[in-house]
Amino acid sequence: DGGITQSPKYLFRKEGQNVTLSCEQNLNHDAMYWYRQDPGQGLRLIYYSQIVNDFQKGDIAEGYSVSREKKESFPLTVTSAQKNPTAFYLCASKDDSISGNTIYFGEGSWLTVV
Amino acid sequence: AQSVTQLDSQVPVFEEAPVELRCNYSSSVSVYLFWYVQYPNQGLQLLLKYLSGSTLVKGINGFEAEFNKSQTSFHLRKPSVHISDTAEYFCAVSVGGGNYGQNFVFGPGTRLSVLP
Repeated sequence: DGGITQSPKYLFRKEGQNVTLSCEQNLNHDAMYWYRQDPGQGLRLIYYSQIVNDFQKGDIAEGYSVSREKKESFPLTVTSAQKNPTAFYLCASKDDSISGNTIYFGEGSWLTVV
Repeated sequence: AQSVTQLDSQVPVFEEAPVELRCNYSSSVSVYLFWYVQYPNQGLQLLLKYLSGSTLVKGINGFEAEFNKSQTSFHLRKPSVHISDTAEYFCAVSVGGGNYGQNFVFGPGTRLSVLP
């Protein structure tokens, strides 16, 4: 089945450690996104990528980094510089076809700092 | 820049009653409009979308929404809700024809609670 796969679903991190969240899509979409969602809150854009080897900061990029070496993959690294990383992270990709123009989401990853 | 307002942060409703979740947007250009649903600990799932054509859009799970350009609204409705409709609902807007990452804006969400 086509879709967006995020892993792991749950991740625990000690303070001072970097962690990487995986996001893979087989929808052949060019654009991919990372959002952060805090409990009871809306979505905030961290980073986005329109094409391979290109990505742009979103509204809350500080303390995060990404790479886009392959069309299918858009991993997010939460660095030790991120002051409050405990949150639900959502990866998405966008269908840019004329009849699409729609963002689709993965199942999300919970990151907890212990 | 466009913005999305969802006036009701929480909407409680009894099972089998009708419900309307409100969404207003601000944009000076043509837009595409979307509703997503999020169940606990899951990603967002597309309910329906308006790109062009008929202003009344039907989606999954019996939901529908009406695009009103003069009122810049895209309210979501369901004539009879079920317990399983309890979830968070997000309205989103995208500038028509754009291919840039930041042209997709989400509202703050409305928590729908269906009571037995």
